[in-house]
Amino acid sequence: DQQVKQNSPSLSVQEGRISILNCDYTNSMFDYFLWYKKYPAEGPTFLISISSIKDKNEDGRFTVFLNKSAKHLSLHIVPSQPGDSAVYFCAARGAGGTSYGKLTFGQGTILTVHP
Amino acid sequence: EAGVAQSPRYKIIEKRQSVAFWCNPISGHATLYWYQQILGQGPKLLIQFQNNGVVDDSQLPKDRFSAERLKGVDSTLKIQPAKLEDSAVYLCASSLAAYTDTQYFGPGTRLTVL
Repeated sequence: DQQVKQNSPSLSVQEGRISILNCDYTNSMFDYFLWYKKYPAEGPTFLISISSIKDKNEDGRFTVFLNKSAKHLSLHIVPSQPGDSAVYFCAARGAGGTSYGKLTFGQGTILTVHP
Repeated sequence: EAGVAQSPRYKIIEKRQSVAFWCNPISGHATLYWYQQILGQGPKLLIQFQNNGVVDDSQLPKDRFSAERLKGVDSTLKIQPAKLEDSAVYLCASSLAAYTDTQYFGPGTRLTVL
């Protein structure tokens, strides 16, 4: 059973426009949600996170929104830049029990930003 | 600050052969993780170390996979014998402390099993 899902394998956006990447989860036992960015031949790098008690967190061009009732989060990048082209992974951190602190990743979304 | 180092970067072997991967975490990071990332999927945790002790290896196929972290620094992950379905990128990550600190990933080792 996949607890974290990114249903869009890819997204193509024009430079300067907004990129919106989506993520859904099926388990409420998560205390933090994170976004990682991955360039080819490199490991994932941490981008931004949000606590399960918040509904929005902003860091420069990146904003993450959390809708707990819908079990949905999204990453907004405004404005998008060609250097943002990468694979973006959504991850959820276990809140307790045997899953405490464990990251569960989605499948990733390939973002391409065209000049 | 140097990042997480992994070697080799690429490895091609035939099924039933053995293979080993090496990881050197960021200096001072007590927690080390090994993940398996199959093409088209997100990373999946295989094993987590706190210093030189295993915290979680519930997802490690122990009949063929083994890992150690001697002296609480470097770590090796071994597969013996390899199967076709082991083809994946093996990522090592480290964090200052367990559970709540940011995980920093290495570049990974891409394994192809023929």
